[in-house]
Amino acid sequence: DADVTQTPRNRITKTGKRIMLECSQTKGHDRMYWYRQDPGLGLRLIYYSFDVKDINKGEISDGYSVSRQAQAKFSLSLESAIPNQTALYFCATSVATGELFFGEGSRLTVL
Amino acid sequence: QKEVEQDPGPLSVPEGAIVSLNCTYSNSAFQYFMWYRQYSRKGPELLMYTYSSGNKEDGRFTAQVDKSSKYISLFIRDSQPSDSATYLCAIGGDYKLSFGAGTTVTVRA
Repeated sequence: DADVTQTPRNRITKTGKRIMLECSQTKGHDRMYWYRQDPGLGLRLIYYSFDVKDINKGEISDGYSVSRQAQAKFSLSLESAIPNQTALYFCATSVATGELFFGEGSRLTVL
Repeated sequence: QKEVEQDPGPLSVPEGAIVSLNCTYSNSAFQYFMWYRQYSRKGPELLMYTYSSGNKEDGRFTAQVDKSSKYISLFIRDSQPSDSATYLCAIGGDYKLSFGAGTTVTVRA
């Protein structure tokens, strides 16, 4: 089983719908991240969390919210999806100053 | 200006060629220099990680960092078809990495 698991892997939705992407990890890492990947723009940080009570905005947090339900679980929500949120979303974990371990990605299409 | 700029590619090379990938960055406070490899439909995985200026080798891969020029490179020697992937540089500090846009490399058999 993957150490960092994202669900769903693919989702097509309509403008205005609420969407939740979920991430769970078995690596025991305290730090968790949500990134968005777009062609030509690379990976951009949406939110990050260093422990259950710590949530921080990244560079592109507008239109997104997160919840850290437990050390192992970090979910990303789009309250009212819009087409320019169509992208590949990655959850990642790390130890302090360490490498990021990524999930397989969740491909979201907003029509 | 983006914090990290990566040569966009794509690159297509014959098997056995040397692949050269490059990034520049703007923040001199950055401490960590990484290269990730991403296969199609997969998440990125760490390939090389270094803290200091100079060269670091791991098998066919060499990561080079020049802090004075704010420039990093990744060299792949004796490239193989299995090296076909997108390569992302990542540079940062204690809590945040900034990624380049990625360079897609195809190694032709």
